Amino acid sequence: KAGVTQTPRYLIKTRGQQVTLSCSPISGHRSVSWYQQTPGQGLQFLFEYFSETQRNKGNFPGRFSGRQFSNSRSEMNVSTLELGDSALYLCASSLDRSDSSGNTIYFGEGSWLTVV
Amino acid sequence: DAKTTQPPSMDCAEGRAANLPCNHSTISGNEYVYWYRQIHSQGPQYIIHGLKNNETNEMASLIITEDRKSSTLILPHATLRDTAVYYCIVRARGGSNYKLTFGKGTLLTVNP
Repeated sequence: KAGVTQTPRYLIKTRGQQVTLSCSPISGHRSVSWYQQTPGQGLQFLFEYFSETQRNKGNFPGRFSGRQFSNSRSEMNVSTLELGDSALYLCASSLDRSDSSGNTIYFGEGSWLTVV
Repeated sequence: DAKTTQPPSMDCAEGRAANLPCNHSTISGNEYVYWYRQIHSQGPQYIIHGLKNNETNEMASLIITEDRKSSTLILPHATLRDTAVYYCIVRARGGSNYKLTFGKGTLLTVNP
């Protein structure tokens, strides 16, 4: 079974540009979430999608947005890039079952974004 | 979610068991203990989780104290590839369980 797939793996952008990152969840997983990881702030939750709807959002400015498609694939977009947006962006997926065995979240390898 | 406390770093000799502790004294009855690890430049990898019973899988064992206020992740025979940051996370069974709140974790260094 394929894991969470993220593309691109590495990219370099210039300040003021925008970037779109893509994520394919594990087959059958309907919940997709995004995290940002920086050396200073660690791993921080960005937002979570389920059935093409954003259900939860972390404490990030509106420049960070995302969407989910009917096949559960997701994209996140960062507009007007700033130097501080340089980070590892991680996508994660889960089944989103509320059963008693828990609902494990699995991560992709991430997309390394460098803003220059 | 309950807060967790982990030592910032630990060392282990290759081939020996690595025992990583975690304190979660404010854990509530509906919260699981999850362990992830992150090898440099990669995404976090799920290891194991448990509610109140000890758990074992092909990667590790999880020992949760009877009062559930602390736990220990055990890697039975550590290898150099187990060098990583290990995160202990407390996560609710429902409701707000859509996200994981990561702390700073424990950097485990396995030495030859």
